[in-house]
Amino acid sequence: DARVTQTPRHKVTEMGQEVTMRCQPILGHNTVFWYRQTMMQGLELLAYFRNRAPLDDSGMPKDRFSAEMPDATLATLKIQPSEPRDSAVYFCASGFSGPDTQYFGPGTRLTVL
Amino acid sequence: GENVEQHPSTLSVQEGDSAVIKCTYSDSASNYFPWYKQELGKRPQLIIDIRSNVGEKKDQRIAVTLNKTAKHFSLHITETQPEDSAVYFCAATLTGTASKLTFGTGTRLQVTL
Repeated sequence: DARVTQTPRHKVTEMGQEVTMRCQPILGHNTVFWYRQTMMQGLELLAYFRNRAPLDDSGMPKDRFSAEMPDATLATLKIQPSEPRDSAVYFCASGFSGPDTQYFGPGTRLTVL
Repeated sequence: GENVEQHPSTLSVQEGDSAVIKCTYSDSASNYFPWYKQELGKRPQLIIDIRSNVGEKKDQRIAVTLNKTAKHFSLHITETQPEDSAVYFCAATLTGTASKLTFGTGTRLQVTL
């Protein structure tokens, strides 16, 4: 049963530190999405890729967030510098364009003190 | 862009009763409508989806109906059980484009004994 994996599962850091979150999409999937979930905002789309190319990152604060796909098996989301308002659960999801179904990873729970 | 509204935000039903969650979408071109279930502290998981070429789809105790004319779709859960308690999200997209799902704000379903 193939699943999206994410590391780390939990991260506690201090304001101003760099945070890197990693995602391994399901093998063969060609679309990767990064979401942020908070109680107040629900599921927010931050960025997504198709065939490793960024398609839309309009949901990300560009001054501090960056998303990349160095290869087909790894997607990264970086926050530098982190701020307390970045505290949230960050989900990665992958899918295959055509069916368009998205499968979510377990999430990274980020706490910025 | 697409806008999805979801109602109600919370729903409490007694075990064995039915639950209905409704969503409306704004873009008449949207043709793919998945539903996700998210248990506390877990990832959103796809439970059922429907495409615009059908009006209804059923999988055991859950069913989804789609009214393209009115631009709304609904999730129906029959014979509810305590393990159905979760947050449910609807979403919509036009397939063949960038596969970007627009999510509703979620419905917290509580099934009481």
